[in-house]
Amino acid sequence: GAVVSQHPSWVICKSGTSVKIECRSLDFQATTMFWYRQFPKQSLMLMATSNEGSKATYEQGVEKDKFLINHASLTLSTLTVTSAHPEDSSFYICSARLAGLLNRELFFGEGSRLTVL
Amino acid sequence: QKEVEQDPGPLSVPEGAIVSLNCTYSNSAFQYFMWYRQYSRKGPELLMYTYSSGNKEDGRFTAQVDKSSKYISLFIRDSQPSDSATYLCAMIIQGAQKLVFGQGTRLTINP
Repeated sequence: GAVVSQHPSWVICKSGTSVKIECRSLDFQATTMFWYRQFPKQSLMLMATSNEGSKATYEQGVEKDKFLINHASLTLSTLTVTSAHPEDSSFYICSARLAGLLNRELFFGEGSRLTVL
Repeated sequence: QKEVEQDPGPLSVPEGAIVSLNCTYSNSAFQYFMWYRQYSRKGPELLMYTYSSGNKEDGRFTAQVDKSSKYISLFIRDSQPSDSATYLCAMIIQGAQKLVFGQGTRLTINP
């Protein structure tokens, strides 16, 4: 299957700082990438849909000014958690879909564990 | 009512047993169905992908879709301890962008 790489895999930061997480599709082009958040023992919660070259579409209840998403190329999307607080501590996972109308499978990154002190 | 319902478990079975994991859904427009496996502290990994109704087999895994009952299943034969993980069902409507996930079932295979 296609490979999606996330970096960093884990990060610890102080409250009030900003953290950037990168999501790369390594062997394919992804016109659409998705960012999820997952709390322990819970399912994936979609935060936003990121389309290359356009603004991200955020899910209801997700603050777009707090979770900045940039999808500048067909292989890279970034999520920046601005002014992070302890309640932002979570497992953030990106996913990407192969370009092409017939493709429905999502390929996921390994996830990034954020701990805000 | 959630769009996709999945029993969170936990489900614990002995090694070698046949495992049945299930999801029900309410939206008849779903046409593509997927099963993902997620190990602890890792991203989900796509296991099976089916379109519309029917069965699909891949090694020890069989995915089954019954659109008339709005019910999908994943069967694991000859289960191994390495199959211990959380299994998430997911589905999508044709033309839509977003997958809708079940809650995930935590499975443990005991040696």
